[in-house]
Amino acid sequence: AQKITQTQPGMFVQEKEAVTLDCTYDTSDPSYGLFWYKQPSSGEMIFLIYQGSYDQQNATEGRYSLNFQKARKSANLVISASQLGDSAMYFCAMRLIGGADGLTFGKGTHLIIQP
Amino acid sequence: DSGVTQTPKHLITATGQRVTLRCSPRSGDLSVYWYQQSLDQGLQFLIQYYNGEERAKGNILERFSAQQFPDLHSELNLSSLELGDSALYFCASSPRTGLNTEAFFGQGTRLTVV
Repeated sequence: AQKITQTQPGMFVQEKEAVTLDCTYDTSDPSYGLFWYKQPSSGEMIFLIYQGSYDQQNATEGRYSLNFQKARKSANLVISASQLGDSAMYFCAMRLIGGADGLTFGKGTHLIIQP
Repeated sequence: DSGVTQTPKHLITATGQRVTLRCSPRSGDLSVYWYQQSLDQGLQFLIQYYNGEERAKGNILERFSAQQFPDLHSELNLSSLELGDSALYFCASSPRTGLNTEAFFGQGTRLTVV
């Protein structure tokens, strides 16, 4: 069965600094997709970025980029120039092409941006 | 705003009762997913419907059931409720199924069982 591990329960970062949120995954399936979601205190889940297992380049979406290291099975989220509004829970998730179509989520990282 | 609408936003009910959570997906999205978020279990995939048909099952209890109607809205039915069913229940939708299909989440229904 697939598994997502996020080893940082919480992080404090100064505003304007770059942030790296760690995510490692475990699957024997060669075809998978990796996702990052943001959950602010208001509760909604906001899609941030996607990386496919066969994608040659690291995904980027504005201030978000994904540091994908396939051999190490890691998919770290990098937020450049952090802002106060980035304070939230961040979840890494995976979907397998051959399995159930739902996302498997990690336990999340609580990111707090300090002024 | 993701375009996915969930009602009600909050629900308080007693043990043993039955409740129905409703989800309207984004316009045109055929796929609906239900997830449960609790403090001890985290975010768990429950079930997926695609164009009215059940497509995939995750960690859904037998006391729970779901369906997707011809207009593509979906309902999650929770019965014989227990204290441990208290959680935030999310509906998500996507236009198709597949590996790189992002899911758009609703704001969730917070269920409290007392």
